[in-house]
Amino acid sequence: AQSVTQLDSQVPVFEEAPVELRCNYSSSVSVYLFWYVQYPNQGLQLLLKYLSGSTLVKSINGFEAEFNKSQTSFHLRKPSVHISDTAEYFCAVRLDTGRRALTFGSGTRLQVQP
Amino acid sequence: DGGITQSPKYLFRKEGQNVTLSCEQNLNHDAMYWYRQDPGQGLRLIYYSQIVNDFQKGDIAEGYSVSREKKESFPLTVTSAQKNPTAFYLCASSPPFVPANGYTFGSGTRLTVV
Repeated sequence: AQSVTQLDSQVPVFEEAPVELRCNYSSSVSVYLFWYVQYPNQGLQLLLKYLSGSTLVKSINGFEAEFNKSQTSFHLRKPSVHISDTAEYFCAVRLDTGRRALTFGSGTRLQVQP
Repeated sequence: DGGITQSPKYLFRKEGQNVTLSCEQNLNHDAMYWYRQDPGQGLRLIYYSQIVNDFQKGDIAEGYSVSREKKESFPLTVTSAQKNPTAFYLCASSPPFVPANGYTFGSGTRLTVV
């Protein structure tokens, strides 16, 4: 069975500083990887995804993530955060075969301080 | 606009009662999912359905039941057998077997046992 580990439950950071949210997964088959963002009392919104091809994927609001197969990681980064980035971020994995439902990590709360 | 509607937004249940959470989508998606969210535990899969009149148990199906009589609808019943039902419940949908767009999520139902 696949699993997803988000190593940091909370990440406090000052505005305009860089940030990295870590995600590791375990799976014996090919996977698709996703990052979702959740604002308070709302559903989740897709931030970015890795399906195949280039291992570096980018979102329209400055986030990027790199798929590293040898380290089974999919860390999320942003070079300069804004107050509006304050939210909870979830890493998720979906198998290429078998159960095709997303498995989520436990989430990382990003707190951007002025 | 297409999307997923969850209702009600807040729900209170007395111990021993069954309650049903509604999830409706007009995205023409075949696959639908129910997740439970608890603080610090991320999202855990309750049930999912890849096609009408078919559904599978997820990781925490005990105490829950679902039906999928229509493509647009995937209601979740929280039964009295669920010992700790207080949580935030999220419904999602996706095209089946196509990971490219990930999931579309509803805005959630917060269930509280009183």
